Amino acid sequence: DVKVTQSSRYLVKRTGEKVFLECVQDMDHENMFWYRQDPGLGLRLIYFSYDVKMKEKGDIPEGYSVSREKKERFSLILESASTNQTSMYLCASSLWVAGSYNEQFFGPGTRLTVL
Amino acid sequence: DQQVKQNSPSLSVQEGRISILNCDYTNSMFDYFLWYKKYPAEGPTFLISISSIKDKNEDGRFTVFLNKSAKHLSLHIVPSQPGDSAVYFCAARFYGGSQGNLIFGKGTKLSVKP
Repeated sequence: DVKVTQSSRYLVKRTGEKVFLECVQDMDHENMFWYRQDPGLGLRLIYFSYDVKMKEKGDIPEGYSVSREKKERFSLILESASTNQTSMYLCASSLWVAGSYNEQFFGPGTRLTVL
Repeated sequence: DQQVKQNSPSLSVQEGRISILNCDYTNSMFDYFLWYKKYPAEGPTFLISISSIKDKNEDGRFTVFLNKSAKHLSLHIVPSQPGDSAVYFCAARFYGGSQGNLIFGKGTKLSVKP
């Protein structure tokens, strides 16, 4: 079974704090993704990575950065947290196989509240 | 501009009846479509997929239909059960796109009433 784990289920931080969200997958997947989910907005891609040290901006990268130093680990960083970054953050991973649907496996999510 | 649209934010169905969740897309270069199910406080889980070369895929109580000419797909759940109550996301993959990125719709919240 593919397992994607996220470091925290719930997190409360103050405005201006630096926040690290960690994600680890155990299936040797090349691709890893960070999304945020907000009511009425669905899943929005923040950043993704298709290899170690590689990263690509998604639809809403502003205010975020990422780090992928090892294949199994993908970190999302909020340099200076703001209240509009209060959200559910979801990490996912997938293989890349040409001609396949590349199912993404999701972690349980981190509910971040910024006060 | 939304490329994957789920126009119904919510749907309520009686237990035992059919649930039909709809999804429209605008990009004819999508080659795979997926449905995910999400319970509160959990990550989405993959439900079923369909390739753009097919028009139907079935897995137990779940069937996905694809109408390419209308750029429309639907998920049928028969019979619906209370445990099916969740948010359902439609997603599409762009052929040749960057490493399997998926574009998600905004989701439809399904409530199945006993």
